[in-house]
Amino acid sequence: EAGVAQSPRYKIIEKRQSVAFWCNPISGHATLYWYQQILGQGPKLLIQFQNNGVVDDSQLPKDRFSAERLKGVDSTLKIQPAKLEDSAVYLCASSLSDSMNTEAFFGQGTRLTVV
Amino acid sequence: GEDVEQSLFLSVREGDSSVINCTYTDSSSTYLYWYKQEPGAGLQLLTYIFSNMDMKQDQRLTVLLNKKDKHLSLRIADTQTGDSAIYFCAQRRYGNNRLAFGKGNQVVVIP
Repeated sequence: EAGVAQSPRYKIIEKRQSVAFWCNPISGHATLYWYQQILGQGPKLLIQFQNNGVVDDSQLPKDRFSAERLKGVDSTLKIQPAKLEDSAVYLCASSLSDSMNTEAFFGQGTRLTVV
Repeated sequence: GEDVEQSLFLSVREGDSSVINCTYTDSSSTYLYWYKQEPGAGLQLLTYIFSNMDMKQDQRLTVLLNKKDKHLSLRIADTQTGDSAIYFCAQRRYGNNRLAFGKGNQVVVIP
């Protein structure tokens, strides 16, 4: 079974530029998550989708971050404009459902460096 | 709140046991998880425990939950070099599907 695919693996941009990350979840997984992991910290949930609807985006900085999951499969996360403090690894995860004991599978992440 | 606290670093000799600790603040009924993250990789779920359990054993892994002290631990028996990684404990509760992660424990296994 193919895992969660993310691209690109690495991205370096200047502050105030825009950037987009892409995630392809495991086939058949209804729930998709985007996490931000700053160096030395645990992952923080940015947004959670159930199919193509948003379940939780309470920790998403909506003035600069946006995400969509058209057709309930792939997802993109965008930052516009980027700030230095956005430097982090952005992890995408998916699970069959949003039940409490359903395992979430993580992609390898996109490491973003804002200079 | 959902704060989860972990200590930062542990070194252990190959073959010894490792114990990683975590404390949490939210006492609502919850699932508690242990994830492993190897360098350059995403997180891998190792095991989880529901809050009505005190202990769960899965091969070399033993999870202990002390609900009174809101303390969770992960014991790895016969630690191998492949166990070198960062270990995160995470919590979520009924009605809130958000996983709150600790800062992680880095475990270094010395051959």
